[in-house]
Formats: sequence, C-alpha cells, structure tokens
Amino acid sequence: AQSVTQLGSHVSVSEGALVLLRCNYSSSVPPYLFWYVQYPNQGLQLLLKYTTGATLVKGINGFEAEFKKSETSFHLTKPSAHMSDAAEYFCAVSPPFSGGGADGLTFGKGTHLIIQP
Amino acid sequence: DTAVSQTPKYLVTQMGNDKSIKCEQNLGHDTMYWYKQDSKKFLKIMFSYNNKELIINETVPNRFSPKSPDKAHLNLHINSLELGDSAVYFCASGLTGELFFGEGSRLTVL
Repeated sequence: AQSVTQLGSHVSVSEGALVLLRCNYSSSVPPYLFWYVQYPNQGLQLLLKYTTGATLVKGINGFEAEFKKSETSFHLTKPSAHMSDAAEYFCAVSPPFSGGGADGLTFGKGTHLIIQP
Repeated sequence: DTAVSQTPKYLVTQMGNDKSIKCEQNLGHDTMYWYKQDSKKFLKIMFSYNNKELIINETVPNRFSPKSPDKAHLNLHINSLELGDSAVYFCASGLTGELFFGEGSRLTVL
C-alpha cells in the first residue's frame, strides 16, 4: 500500500520569500509523484509530476519539486512567493506502470499555504 | 469549453433523501473517477471507471452507486442520505495520475 505524508497542515510565508512544502511517501516501489493545487471553491489542478527520468521537475507558476529516493521525499518549492499562490496544496502518489492509471491517486492531507503581505 | 463539468454545484437536502450528481468530460479520456473531500480537505477516491467498467470501489457504502452510460459520463447516485455524506464530491478524468478535476459538488445533508 502507498501513503503520503505532508508535514505541516498550514505554512505561512511572506510575499517574496521562499516557499517550501514538504511531502514524504511510502511505497514498496518508486511511485509516480504529483503536486496538485486547489484554489478556494475550485477543483484541483496539476502543478507538476514525476514519473521517471530527471529528478528535478518544473511545473506551472514557477513551482518545482525534487524526487529524492533515498529520503522518500518530493518537496515542493518556489523561490519567491506571490499573493496568488495562497491555496491548498496536495501531494499525491500513484503506482508506477499502473496499466492505464485506473488505480487513481492517493493524496496527502494537504497543506494550506498562507502568504503574508 | 469546460474539460470536466459536474452538476449541480450545490445540493442541500434532508437525511433519507436520494440525490444524483452528473459528470461529463470532453477530454477523450477512458478513465473517470469520483473523489470525496471531507470538511478537513482530505481527498479519498471512491470509484474509478475505465471505459464504462468499474475498476475501484474503495469500500464505499452501497448507498452510493456510480453509473457510466458512456466513457464521457460518470454519474453518482446516492440513496438514503446520511449526515456523514456531507462533503464536496469531485469528478475527475485522466490517466496515470494526471487528472483533470471538475469544480466539485458541495453536498449538505440536514
């Protein structure tokens, strides 16, 4: 079974400061890893994903994440926070080579990102 | 053009009633999902359909019945609603984890 742990249900940073959202996973094999963002009263939107290959992946809105197998981590970063980044962020895993992806995603509990002016 | 659309956006109903939520996607994906998001924002998969066939049913009470008339539609019918069913229900479609979500249907059971 796979699981995801997101450290910190709430993270507060100042506008212009570094954003770091932590995600650790548990899986018997290296999974596919994802970060999704949810703005208030909206559905989830894919920020970035890691499947295979380069361990540093870049996503939309200036976010990036690095897959570290030795640490079973996939932390999300952004060099400079913007007010519009305030949202709920979810880390998620899926089994690799899941025969078409019908297994769905296992989500972490989410991290609420607050941007202070 | 909305990729994944679900209706209605809000439902308010009494315990014991039956309700349905409809979902349609125009992305051409074979796989569609229903997720439940509780008041603490926790997301849990309920159902997965691949080309009209049920793939996952994650220990959801049988009061919940998904129906997929074709691969572009996945509806959710809920019988005998309970207070604990209050949540936001998200439809999604996609493949290999890259999912596209609808805007959600907020169900409130009184």
